[in-house]
Amino acid sequence: NAGVTQTPKFQVLKTGQSMTLQCAQDMNHEYMSWYRQDPGMGLRLIHYSVGAGITDQGEVPNGYNVSRSTTEDFPLRLLSAAPSQTSVYFCASSYSIRYSGNTIYFGEGSWLTVV
Amino acid sequence: DAKTTQPNSMESNEEEPVHLPCNHSTISGTDYIHWYRQLPSQGPEYVIHGLTSNVNNRMASLAIAEDRKSSTLILHRATLRDAAVYYCILRSAGAGGTSYGKLTFGQGTILTVHP
Repeated sequence: NAGVTQTPKFQVLKTGQSMTLQCAQDMNHEYMSWYRQDPGMGLRLIHYSVGAGITDQGEVPNGYNVSRSTTEDFPLRLLSAAPSQTSVYFCASSYSIRYSGNTIYFGEGSWLTVV
Repeated sequence: DAKTTQPNSMESNEEEPVHLPCNHSTISGTDYIHWYRQLPSQGPEYVIHGLTSNVNNRMASLAIAEDRKSSTLILHRATLRDAAVYYCILRSAGAGGTSYGKLTFGQGTILTVHP
């Protein structure tokens, strides 16, 4: 049981490049989400998914796409990277959103720098 | 969405108890109160959660006010490893509504533990 696995851990991109941050969980969790955390700030929700084939926008979705083709994977795509997307990205998952007492598990983070 | 208010920072001495407060005056009846903490350069980790009654686990205790408009995370004997940012989060149950599946982080409380 590896929990929530994010790759890559570190990435440097040039402005305008695209890339995908990978997130996988092996706990059969329904709920998965992506957050970004800027220096000195709390986490802000980018996109989330409540099951395979279902995604929705969070607080700061612009510039990012997601898909959920399987229960296990929830990749985050940066379409055309901008310096404003320099941040630390966290993937999170939990078993079911129908019960709000479920623990949320976070990945270790992906540090992204856009130059 | 219901919001939480926490002090920006608190300090404690090692092996002393720490009481971290959180106000959530707009909490709804089905919102669970979750606490997570984030150590430097790591993803948030679960500490404790509760609905109405006080809760204890090996890491901490959670005291919930009778009207549920506030709660307190209690670390019984702070250690240097407890130095982190502590987030108080309200999590709504799924099954529809604008808060479906969402988790909102505030700024959190930076806990400093002195040796």
